[in-house]
Amino acid sequence: GIQVEQSPPDLILQEGANSTLRCNFSDSVNNLQWFHQNPWGQLINLFYIPSGTKQNGRLSATTVATERYSLLYISSSQTTDSGVYFCAVGDQKLVFGQGTRLTINP
Amino acid sequence: EPEVTQTPSHQVTQMGQEVILRCVPISNHLYFYWYRQILGQKVEFLVSFYNNEISEKSEIFDDQFSVERPDGSNFTLKIRSTKLEDSAMYFCASSGRVRGHTGELFFGEGSRLTVL
Repeated sequence: GIQVEQSPPDLILQEGANSTLRCNFSDSVNNLQWFHQNPWGQLINLFYIPSGTKQNGRLSATTVATERYSLLYISSSQTTDSGVYFCAVGDQKLVFGQGTRLTINP
Repeated sequence: EPEVTQTPSHQVTQMGQEVILRCVPISNHLYFYWYRQILGQKVEFLVSFYNNEISEKSEIFDDQFSVERPDGSNFTLKIRSTKLEDSAMYFCASSGRVRGHTGELFFGEGSRLTVL
């Protein structure tokens, strides 16, 4: 089945810093989504981005489908950005990566 | 904005008991899913459901699990005889169809199951 690798596994930053999270996947897909899992365990949809670039406030994402990777950018990080970020890819179903745990210190 | 709703948000049960987790998908969606996440681990696919039947299931989804769409709105996951290792967060998701394949998946807030 499809393999999804996220890097880095852990990232610790100071408030105000910028960060880049990466997602590599092993096969071509029709669906790629980024999620933020909050401290209560809820999965928050960030982007549906099988290809191209999207921006939403301080967050943006780019997927290069031909090279099988996606990047999530967070600018001017805030403590509320802390949590685990998941990339998930697939066609009829989503396969999740292991996640990147982001900690933003004040 | 339409959303996927799940009940209960948290359930505590004794080992060996039956549990039913309920989900109301987004009304015009065609594909329905259950995922689970054991504490500290990644989110794992359990089963997908389309056109009133299971379209795909993982090896986790063994005979103790079943899914049902008993009416036009609810989608349920039943665990027949719970084990300690079934303790996890269970997520329901739904999606529509985009150009012949599934579109964006929308996830519910999850049901946390604790088996004692």
